[in-house]
Amino acid sequence: DAGVIQSPRHEVTEMGQEVTLRCKPISGHNSLFWYRQTMMRGLELLIYFNNNVPIDDSGMPEDRFSAKMPNASFSTLKIQPSEPRDSAVYFCASSLTGAGNTIYFGEGSWLTVV
Amino acid sequence: LAKTTQPISMDSYEGQEVNITCSHNNIATNDYITWYQQFPSQGPRFIIQGYKTKVTNEVASLFIPADRKSSTLSLPRVSLSDTAVYYCLVGSPSGGYQKVTFGTGTKLQVIP
Repeated sequence: DAGVIQSPRHEVTEMGQEVTLRCKPISGHNSLFWYRQTMMRGLELLIYFNNNVPIDDSGMPEDRFSAKMPNASFSTLKIQPSEPRDSAVYFCASSLTGAGNTIYFGEGSWLTVV
Repeated sequence: LAKTTQPISMDSYEGQEVNITCSHNNIATNDYITWYQQFPSQGPRFIIQGYKTKVTNEVASLFIPADRKSSTLSLPRVSLSDTAVYYCLVGSPSGGYQKVTFGTGTKLQVIP
């Protein structure tokens, strides 16, 4: 079975550029999570969706960040404009509603903003 | 969600049993305890979940005392490949969607 698929795996971009990270959840899963991980702040939950609807975006750091889930098999996390402090690993994860804390992570998108 | 507290780091020699304890004093009646493992350069992966007493799988054992205010993840005879960060989470597996948040985790370093 395919797991959570994220793209790109690595991206280096210049400050001020728009960055779009993509995620394909596990087929049949109806909850999707975006996390950011840095050495300083650990693993932070940015936003999560249930049945394609954003449920809680309180972790989104600021208006430069936005996330969408146009259908059950695709989600994007966009940063516009990007800043050096956005450099981090961004993880997407999915789960089945009711599965509680059992969620499945992708391999992450490693973002460097210079 | 119940807050969890775990040691920041632990060292162990290869072949030893490692026990990582997590405190969750405010655990609710419906909450389960879940542990994740994160290797460097990878996303966290589920390793074990339990409600009370003891749960064992091919990777680890989870011990939960009667008051459920703490839990202990036990890794038998660790090897270098068990070097990872281990996260403890508590929450209810039923009742619809929920916000799954991670604490700081315990960084386990296995030494040859």
